[in-house]
Amino acid sequence: AQSVTQPDIHITVSEGASLELRCNYSYGATPYLFWYVQSPGQGLQLLLKYFSGDTLVQGIKGFEAEFKRSQSSFNLRKPSVHWSDAAEYFCAVDPYSTDSWGKLQFGAGTQVVVTP
Amino acid sequence: DSGVTQTPKHLITATGQRVTLRCSPRSGDLSVYWYQQSLDQGLQFLIQYYNGEERAKGNILERFSAQQFPDLHSELNLSSLELGDSALYFCASSAKTVNYGYTFGSGTRLTVV
Repeated sequence: AQSVTQPDIHITVSEGASLELRCNYSYGATPYLFWYVQSPGQGLQLLLKYFSGDTLVQGIKGFEAEFKRSQSSFNLRKPSVHWSDAAEYFCAVDPYSTDSWGKLQFGAGTQVVVTP
Repeated sequence: DSGVTQTPKHLITATGQRVTLRCSPRSGDLSVYWYQQSLDQGLQFLIQYYNGEERAKGNILERFSAQQFPDLHSELNLSSLELGDSALYFCASSAKTVNYGYTFGSGTRLTVV
């Protein structure tokens, strides 16, 4: 079955430390891949996306993600976390099939807590 | 401000009632998507409209319906509400049917009591 998995429900990281959030997908072909962030009481903001080409993608707020076809993964990273990065992060997939019409399948999310 | 406007921001209603959630897409966007976010189900795709026509359906209950009007705003109608319908309902828009990255609204929080 097609799925998007975020193995970590909750991550605690110290301010200034690096952060990596994992995302694995299970689809027949390489889908379109996205990372969104949701701050408390807010909507979802697009951090970055991957369609094709360079497997290292730069996004907003200092985030980057690396697509690894062999591992069916699209992990999100940030070298140095700021307190304002505390939020929930969602990996999302668009299968880009003829019947998907752009709908997204989301992972369960990873809650990031930043400690002083 | 993402450019996608959802109203109301909060809604409290009783079981059995009917409510309408409204979404105005970003200027120029033709596609509107509705998603439901709940604690137990996470983010679930409900339905998509493109230029007034329904294009894709997801896990949308028969009690729910939606439409997109000529001015491209969309409404999600939820009827015979149950406690389990309490959730955040998000609208997103994009320029075309292919997903180059949605813009989400800030959502409507529905509480059914």
